[in-house]
Amino acid sequence: TQLLEQSPQFLSIQEGENLTVYCNSSSVFSSLQWYRQEPGEGPVLLVTVVTGGEVKKLKRLTFQFGDARKDSSLHITAAQPGDTGLYLCAGATSSGNTPLVFGKGTRLSVIA
Amino acid sequence: NAGVTQTPKFRVLKTGQSMTLLCAQDMNHEYMYWYRQDPGMGLRLIHYSVGEGTTAKGEVPDGYNVSRLKKQNFLLGLESAAPSQTSVYFCASSYRFTGELFFGEGSRLTVL
Repeated sequence: TQLLEQSPQFLSIQEGENLTVYCNSSSVFSSLQWYRQEPGEGPVLLVTVVTGGEVKKLKRLTFQFGDARKDSSLHITAAQPGDTGLYLCAGATSSGNTPLVFGKGTRLSVIA
Repeated sequence: NAGVTQTPKFRVLKTGQSMTLLCAQDMNHEYMYWYRQDPGMGLRLIHYSVGEGTTAKGEVPDGYNVSRLKKQNFLLGLESAAPSQTSVYFCASSYRFTGELFFGEGSRLTVL
């Protein structure tokens, strides 16, 4: 069974601080997706990373896929209360014939 | 644009009762999924479908049944509800098997 471990599980920070959350595995994934889920809603895709070493930026969010395609990170610069939510990573297996594997998520709270 | 619609959004059942959750998508997606989300457990896949008339078991299928008689609909049934099935249920669909998932808003089920 391929697992994705996310850390930290919970994170509470002040507005304006920077933070990084991690998504790690011992398995190789062909691609990795990051979702954000706000209270009372379903997860929404933020980004997909495909190439080892790839870096993608979405405004104040920076996503990186590890060189070996076993891990990924999400860095938020100058966090805002609107960034509050549950961040989930999901990996696509190399075989492509099994559903996405989800991590358990990092719950972020940004306090004004 | 409706996307993925789940009904009902809230339901309270007594132990042993049965019910069906309905998921409808208007994006002509081949792939559909049912997840449950519990605190600290992330999203766990219950069943999924790779096309009309097909279903497959996910990570936690016991106690649930599904049907995909029409491409746009995916039904999740509980034949004899148990308190352990108290959860928030999410339906999702995708164009590719490991592509972006589009989620519904969730259905909160409480089994007393």
